[in-house]
Amino acid sequence: GIQVEQSPPDLILQEGANSTLRCNFSDSVNNLQWFHQNPWGQLINLFYIPSGTKQNGRLSATTVATERYSLLYISSSQTTDSGVYFCAVEWKSSASKIIFGSGTRLSIRP
Amino acid sequence: EPEVTQTPSHQVTQMGQEVILRCVPISNHLYFYWYRQILGQKVEFLVSFYNNEISEKSEIFDDQFSVERPDGSNFTLKIRSTKLEDSAMYFCASSADRNNEQFFGPGTRLTVL
Repeated sequence: GIQVEQSPPDLILQEGANSTLRCNFSDSVNNLQWFHQNPWGQLINLFYIPSGTKQNGRLSATTVATERYSLLYISSSQTTDSGVYFCAVEWKSSASKIIFGSGTRLSIRP
Repeated sequence: EPEVTQTPSHQVTQMGQEVILRCVPISNHLYFYWYRQILGQKVEFLVSFYNNEISEKSEIFDDQFSVERPDGSNFTLKIRSTKLEDSAMYFCASSADRNNEQFFGPGTRLTVL
């Protein structure tokens, strides 16, 4: 079936480290979004990135639509970066909803 | 910056009771959505809504669920007779158009006792 897979499922890092989170998807997409779910449960929009590369401060993302993957880079991690990072895609075949991956739980140790 | 708002932030109800979760989407957006997240699990699509009708719904969105846009600003999710397994965080989202970025509200945590 159509899937969104994220890796790694869990990641523990020291403050200051860099990380790369991956999202693989199994079909063509209209759009792809990255979210950060903070400890209070809120979903924070990070990137809307159906293709190409974007940067916002210490975060950047790249989506290679033809190869069906996206990467989220976090540089110089801070404890406030902790939480769950979700990738979500809107399939071309069903363009009225987004499907979430299972997330990567990131823990940044001081 | 415009944002999606949701009320209440937390709702506790008894099994079998009706609940209405409220959302105010971003004002110029045309597409509205409800998602839910059971504790510790991923976010799941429930329903999308456009032009005063449901565009798509998931298998989860059975006859116990309904959505409505009662006026020009609110978008509601009603659960007619709540079950224990309806306990979850419910997120409302909106987008300006199809294929556009979706913006999420802060969620309503529903606890069914």
